[in-house]
Amino acid sequence: GAGVSQSPRYKVAKRGQDVALRCDPISGHVSLFWYQQALGQGPEFLTYFQNEAQLDKSGLPSDRFFAERPEGSVSTLKIQRTQQEDSAVYLCASSFDPSGGRTDTQYFGPGTRLTVL
Amino acid sequence: SQKIEQNSEALNIQEGKTATLTCNYTNYSPAYLQWYRQDPGRGPVFLLLIRENEKEKRKERLKVTFDTTLKQSLFHITASQPADSATYLCALDRSNDYKLSFGAGTTVTVRA
Repeated sequence: GAGVSQSPRYKVAKRGQDVALRCDPISGHVSLFWYQQALGQGPEFLTYFQNEAQLDKSGLPSDRFFAERPEGSVSTLKIQRTQQEDSAVYLCASSFDPSGGRTDTQYFGPGTRLTVL
Repeated sequence: SQKIEQNSEALNIQEGKTATLTCNYTNYSPAYLQWYRQDPGRGPVFLLLIRENEKEKRKERLKVTFDTTLKQSLFHITASQPADSATYLCALDRSNDYKLSFGAGTTVTVRA
């Protein structure tokens, strides 16, 4: 595709439900990032993949958050037993640069807006 | 602790004027600094990257400066247009790390 796509664009969950958010990066991009963006704030790093390897998950807020990229392309961010504080926009970004996008453009998807009731 | 601060107030300017945004940081030694634009309901879009050994970079009507002594970057939009209205985010790399750390952003509104 032409850019990074994410689905669903909007997700409403009841507290305690599990959710799965999908990211389709640009084909051939090695690096993939997940960010969480609260209203009025900048994106906050959650986790980083280089191909299928999850090299950094230090930003995941709790063990309820889990991300995978099993074949080095599509990635899924899963949140178990959602809480109200998980409500945010979840952004996925990809980069061709295997060093993680520090020296290269990160291409962001449109995000998934998660609302936990 | 590490901190990135952008203009705390939104910026409202008249079309044709220059918008100047600031990004100040503490307890970072970034090798690279990036600026992104974000429109409501969309993901950030990359605009410019400047390296620590570059003082200034330009792209069309955009200009970025990077002063590692002052720990500050300035982002200028010259001859501003209503289409420039958006939130602008600065992002710093963290050395020895894959991450980008973002500021909270400055919202710019250009009045026709």
